Amino acid sequence: GAVVSQHPSRVICKSGTSVKIECRSLDFQATTMFWYRQFPKQSLMLMATSNEGSKATYEQGVEKDKFLINHASLTLSTLTVTSAHPEDSSFYICSAGTGKAEKLFFGSGTQLSVL
Amino acid sequence: SQKIEQNSEALNIQEGKTATLTCNYTNYSPAYLQWYRQDPGRGPVFLLLIRENEKEKRKERLKVTFDTTLKQSLFHITASQPADSATYLCALENTGFQKLVFGTGTRLLVSP
Repeated sequence: GAVVSQHPSRVICKSGTSVKIECRSLDFQATTMFWYRQFPKQSLMLMATSNEGSKATYEQGVEKDKFLINHASLTLSTLTVTSAHPEDSSFYICSAGTGKAEKLFFGSGTQLSVL
Repeated sequence: SQKIEQNSEALNIQEGKTATLTCNYTNYSPAYLQWYRQDPGRGPVFLLLIRENEKEKRKERLKVTFDTTLKQSLFHITASQPADSATYLCALENTGFQKLVFGTGTRLLVSP
């Protein structure tokens, strides 16, 4: 089946630094990728939709200048958390669709801890 | 307002029994509904999709029903095993292709 690789799996950083998370579709081309955030014992909340070659579409309440998304190719999307603060600590997950079916394939997630 | 509700309390069952999880939604008209499994510290894994014109879908020990009148989906795992212990999420598409909205999930614990 389709595989989505997400790195790093865990990152600890100091407040004020920026963190980049990569999401790659390994064996298929993903014209659209999605970025979610999940707080403990809560559901996945969609942050933004990333389309290859165009600007990401952000959900209401998500700061686009803080969460920079780049979808440079059909197999790679990156999320950069700029000037991270402790309240940004969360589990970030990407997903991608093949465009041929409704189901999504998810990365393994990135646990971000901001000190 | 739009809601997707799943039982937030963990469901504890004995190995071999059937687990039944519920997903209720309000103010959505989904063309389909999906169920995912999520293990701690991992991303969700797709299990089943059921369309609005389908009443029931099966895959091995899994069965999903979809009642668009009741706005409810039931997810069943028969002959449950300890390895089935995980959080199960239901998801609906909202406003765009593949743009999913997730319920909060129900944690299933299967005891040997």
